[in-house]
Amino acid sequence: AQSVAQPEDQVNVAEGNPLTVKCTYSVSGNPYLFWYVQYPNRGLQFLLKYITGDNLVKGSYGFEAEFNKSQTSFHLKKPSALVSDSALYFCAVRDPKISTDSWGKLQFGAGTQVVVTP
Amino acid sequence: NAGVMQNPRHLVRRRGQEARLRCSPMKGHSHVYWYRQLPEEGLKFMVYLQKENIIDESGMPKERFSAEFPKEGPSILRIQQVVRGDSAAYFCASSPYSLYQETQYFGPGTRLLVL
Repeated sequence: AQSVAQPEDQVNVAEGNPLTVKCTYSVSGNPYLFWYVQYPNRGLQFLLKYITGDNLVKGSYGFEAEFNKSQTSFHLKKPSALVSDSALYFCAVRDPKISTDSWGKLQFGAGTQVVVTP
Repeated sequence: NAGVMQNPRHLVRRRGQEARLRCSPMKGHSHVYWYRQLPEEGLKFMVYLQKENIIDESGMPKERFSAEFPKEGPSILRIQQVVRGDSAAYFCASSPYSLYQETQYFGPGTRLLVL
């Protein structure tokens, strides 16, 4: 069964400093990995995804993520955080194997609250 | 190009009533997914539908919950005889294909409050 873990409930960072949000996964084979961001009382906005190819994926709003197969990680990064990046961030995995248990669905982590202070 | 639309955005029901949540996918998308977000939790998959077909309902509670995606019109998530534990945010997502790498795009959600 697939699973994803976000070990930090909250990450605090000062504006202008680098931001990292951690994500580890467990899935058989090569995973499809996604990052979404949720602002208060809003839906989820897609940031980026890893399917195959380069381990460093670039996404929206200056975010990027590095896929590390040996560490089964997909950490989200931003070189210089903004106050407007304060939000709830979700990592998600989609099992690439066709099976009735995993067909189509995203498995989400519990989320990491990012707080960027001025 | 309008995104995924959900209505109502907020819904208040008393215990025992029915809740109907609607989702219109993005234009050109024929795959719809429903997720539930309980307070202080992440999103949990409920059901995956294509037009007139339920593909995967492994995340749906066995009783009181049903979903449909008719040939015409929005997808409907129906909760009968609601209980307080049904209070949550319900999100719909859509994608154009069933390929695993396709991104799911989410709507703004319906926040259900059961009194």
